[in-house]
Amino acid sequence: KNEVEQSPQNLTAQEGEFITINCSYSVGISALHWLQQHPGGGIVSLFMLSSGKKKHGRLIATINIQEKHSSLHITASHPRDSAVYICAVRQNNDMRFGAGTRLTVKP
Amino acid sequence: EPEVTQTPSHQVTQMGQEVILRCVPISNHLYFYWYRQILGQKVEFLVSFYNNEISEKSEIFDDQFSVERPDGSNFTLKIRSTKLEDSAMYFCASSPVRESEAFFGQGTRLTVV
Repeated sequence: KNEVEQSPQNLTAQEGEFITINCSYSVGISALHWLQQHPGGGIVSLFMLSSGKKKHGRLIATINIQEKHSSLHITASHPRDSAVYICAVRQNNDMRFGAGTRLTVKP
Repeated sequence: EPEVTQTPSHQVTQMGQEVILRCVPISNHLYFYWYRQILGQKVEFLVSFYNNEISEKSEIFDDQFSVERPDGSNFTLKIRSTKLEDSAMYFCASSPVRESEAFFGQGTRLTVV
């Protein structure tokens, strides 16, 4: 059983649209991470959450610990947001990754 | 801005050979990690390292893998006898404390032929 499930797997949007990517997990965690993987393969950490909500620029991440669910929102999406967005959960010193959501934003 | 640096960016090796992947974590970080991503698959945790010892490792991290912090700045992953299935992108990451964002290097693409 996959401990971290992301949806959708693929998402295509028009520039300017509001984007939501979802992550559900089945294990008890100490933190949840949202990562961005660029087409070249590099990984950038976007957020680390253990409760509530965080905002950075056009990105917003929320987590509901009781429901074991997190969302990543992108407002006013732009073609440069095109990437794979990965949810990862930390259990002790281990980290479990989702399969990623491939986002394509068209101009 | 401080960053995690990995070398080489691409390594090709013959099956059965030993490889060492190198990482320079951010200087004031205390926790270090290795992850791998086989082409087309999700990222997988290999090992975490703190206070000069392994603090957690996954099932993937078997006896053919080892990690070392030889000199206080480098953090290395050694694969003793590479197999074809070791071909993957290997990412190093570091964080200042355990429960904080991790900073990732750009990865080393290992190709075993």
